[in-house]
Amino acid sequence: SYVVTQPPSVSMAPGQTATITCDGSKIGNRVIHWFQQKPGQAPVLVIYDTRDRPSGIPGRFAGSKSENTATLTISAVEAGDEADYYCHLWDPTSDRWVFGGGTKLTVL
Amino acid sequence: QVQVLESGGGVVQPGKSLRVACTASGFTFSRYAFQWVRQAPGKGLEWVAVISHDGSETYSADSLKGRFIISRDNANNMVYLQMNSLTPEDTALYYCASGSKMVRGVANFWGQGTLVSVSS
Repeated sequence: SYVVTQPPSVSMAPGQTATITCDGSKIGNRVIHWFQQKPGQAPVLVIYDTRDRPSGIPGRFAGSKSENTATLTISAVEAGDEADYYCHLWDPTSDRWVFGGGTKLTVL
Repeated sequence: QVQVLESGGGVVQPGKSLRVACTASGFTFSRYAFQWVRQAPGKGLEWVAVISHDGSETYSADSLKGRFIISRDNANNMVYLQMNSLTPEDTALYYCASGSKMVRGVANFWGQGTLVSVSS
């Protein structure tokens, strides 16, 4: 089955730019989604279809991808952005959904 | 306003079965695919299963080895996850999610989850 890898943790000071990666073989050919999950809450979609933001998600959240890496970029990080972030994609080879292991963003 | 609500969680002994349920409102239930995603305590999200709008397509995680079956009853706006041969490793918060008409579309509406604890 398709495997994607995320760094376990990322730490940034307020106002800086946080970059969370999701590595997978030829992930550039896939459509990527990103979820944010705060403690005790259900996941919230912050990026869909690799680059699009649902209504209500600030423009500080942006998605991109290259050949083997998908990236979630959070500009001007705020304390309220502290959460776990998961990449998520459909693997058409196996007809299965896949989650990355998650990245804990800490705002220092 | 879209709402997704899970139910049916509880404590179950190893080797037993349990069925959890999901209902939703705020959209035309029968036109949308549904997913189950679980999260073990302190762990990440794990995709469990997805079902198409009419139930004709279902897919589930290979790791479950066929023990879990997803189904739906559009007449009553319900989606189910039948879980068999449960083990302590199945202990998790089980989320129901929807938002796309296709099984390969992302689910952007999630419930708050129902807790399943497998313990003797």
